[in-house]
Amino acid sequence: EVQLLESGGGLVQSGGSLRLSCAASGFTFSTFVMSWVRQAPGKGLEWVSGISGSGDSTYYAASVKGRFTISRDNSKDTLYLQMDSLRAEDTALYYCAKGRVGAVAGTFYLHWGQGTLVTVTS
Amino acid sequence: QSVLTQPPSVSAAPGQKVTISCSGSSSNIENNYVSWYQQLPGTAPKLLIYDNSKRHSGIPDRISASKSGTSATLGITGLQTGDEADYYCGTWDSSLSAGVFGGGTKLTVL
Repeated sequence: EVQLLESGGGLVQSGGSLRLSCAASGFTFSTFVMSWVRQAPGKGLEWVSGISGSGDSTYYAASVKGRFTISRDNSKDTLYLQMDSLRAEDTALYYCAKGRVGAVAGTFYLHWGQGTLVTVTS
Repeated sequence: QSVLTQPPSVSAAPGQKVTISCSGSSSNIENNYVSWYQQLPGTAPKLLIYDNSKRHSGIPDRISASKSGTSATLGITGLQTGDEADYYCGTWDSSLSAGVFGGGTKLTVL
């Protein structure tokens, strides 16, 4: 059974940093695209970042580019999101999502974690 | 404002049919695969459709989807109260080099 367990969320002041983790199990982690998708309270889904299976290719939404860094450790089956220069508008539930084998472009998300809440105070 | 445009809400009676549209452009929907997700209150999104029109395993055939040009459509027939949820379309945007989602559509089964 595929499991995605996010952690690392919490309360942080504007301008601060957080590192989210997503521990994966139940599948061959290194072969699948992984992404972070967030949802602000009462709002819709927003794609944040995606990374190829090898970690060689990374992509970011314009709203986080230059502030967030996605990475993965395939030896630990773990996905990360380093979030710097946090802003109030980054407040959201952050989901880890498992994509498909292949390119980040054109992926879809079959498995999702339950999310970790990030709250940025001004 | 989302790159993909969905109606904020749709509604229909039990047993009826509803369609949810997702409008984009040549840089996203027209040239990339579209997927659809259902999100029940307080839960993570659930994949319904991938690669424009392929139903994920376990999704009933009363749920279907299609794509034409820069638009995609999700259809649900035989509506049930359990279908009440938020629905999102998603795809890749080749110009942005980023994933994109629609703003979401709240389905109400009257």
